[in-house]
Amino acid sequence: QKEVEQDPGPLSVPEGAIVSLNCTYSNSAFQYFMWYRQYSRKGPELLMYTYSSGNKEDGRFTAQVDKSSKYISLFIRDSQPSDSATYLCAMNPGNTPLVFGKGTRLSVIA
Amino acid sequence: DTGVSQDPRHKITKRGQNVTFRCDPISEHNRLYWYRQTLGQGPEFLTYFQNEAQLEKSRLLSDRFSAERPKGSFSTLEIQRTEQGDSAMYLCASSPDSEKLFFGSGTQLSVL
Repeated sequence: QKEVEQDPGPLSVPEGAIVSLNCTYSNSAFQYFMWYRQYSRKGPELLMYTYSSGNKEDGRFTAQVDKSSKYISLFIRDSQPSDSATYLCAMNPGNTPLVFGKGTRLSVIA
Repeated sequence: DTGVSQDPRHKITKRGQNVTFRCDPISEHNRLYWYRQTLGQGPEFLTYFQNEAQLEKSRLLSDRFSAERPKGSFSTLEIQRTEQGDSAMYLCASSPDSEKLFFGSGTQLSVL
């Protein structure tokens, strides 16, 4: 079993839809959780950063962490064609290299 | 532009040749990471530096791979005797701590 599991998709939604992206993990020591967005042929870009459990909101983006279920989510409200990208979850216990999921490819259709 | 810079953006080489990539991190960041990403996969950790000290290397990093960060500034990643399985995007990231990584655009390596 990989440490971080993420459904690769692809996921296709109409413009304006609410998007839900998820990851599960097996290492209960993970405390720092991140979401990165990666456009084609570009490096990943940090989108959201959360420490431990709870929710964090930034504009149209909400990150949720449920440590009891070892499950994290990213919600995108009012999705736009410019949100079309690969979304990567990443996490670590702290002071060790980040472990990434495979990424979910998202297409938002106008 | 004060982001992470990687050079070259693309490299095509023949099997058996040596290649070297360069990474210039964000200047105030003391941590520098190298990751490798293949199509349809997330980035996989290779190695990282705190200032000039190489603190950790993944078991993915065979003896043909070597990384340096002289004087704690830019870093180079060298692959000797390249193999077709080395074809990937090589990503460099810098960080002010161990959590928030800021990536460059990567070097796409194709080994023919």
